[in-house]
Amino acid sequence: DAKTTQPPSMDCAEGRAANLPCNHSTISGNEYVYWYRQIHSQGPQYIIHGLKNNETNEMASLIITEDRKSSTLILPHATLRDTAVYYCIVRSTLGTYKYIFGTGTRLKVLA
Amino acid sequence: EAGVTQFPSHSVIEKGQTVTLRCDPISGHDNLYWYRRVMGKEIKFLLHFVKESKQDESGMPNNRFLAERTGGTYSTLKVQPAELEDSGVYFCASSQGSNTGELFFGEGSRLTVL
Repeated sequence: DAKTTQPPSMDCAEGRAANLPCNHSTISGNEYVYWYRQIHSQGPQYIIHGLKNNETNEMASLIITEDRKSSTLILPHATLRDTAVYYCIVRSTLGTYKYIFGTGTRLKVLA
Repeated sequence: EAGVTQFPSHSVIEKGQTVTLRCDPISGHDNLYWYRRVMGKEIKFLLHFVKESKQDESGMPNNRFLAERTGGTYSTLKVQPAELEDSGVYFCASSQGSNTGELFFGEGSRLTVL
């Protein structure tokens, strides 16, 4: 079973920041938080990942709480092309490192 | 750099027939994963190869599914005989050796079993 909980859907106005929350209260010390998105029926696309520090790249920022029990993905200026299902995944660095996908958040960016 | 490629993009077969899906990972990627998404459900892990060895096949649904990765390059996933509930999208992903590396997914192979 997925170790994360996300809201099923969210709307965001174009040009505004999209803040997608994720709860992972049972995360353990060797587990990273990854975010992927799936646009329509394409293959999932990597966005960002982190362990405990906040991370930023050209696509997004990842804010992880100090206790690591939750995180927020921030798309700073959402565009219509960011409409997708966003998956927050907790992944172990031990064993097979497989991802366990949950149901994700369906983000709709509105014009 | 070429991404993960999958073939065919869509396959329609009759129940009881055999289908073979192929995945070509990114060159140099030792890790290769198969996932699938059946209608209305979440993306589910099937198995993981490290080079030609099966590291984890705990997600394979039953013995009608056979995955191979001869020579540690491309991989095939054979379904024989196919059942209606096998319909869905099968994704392949690859990554380098690092245990924190991102997965690169292909566009998927859509399987429809009639």
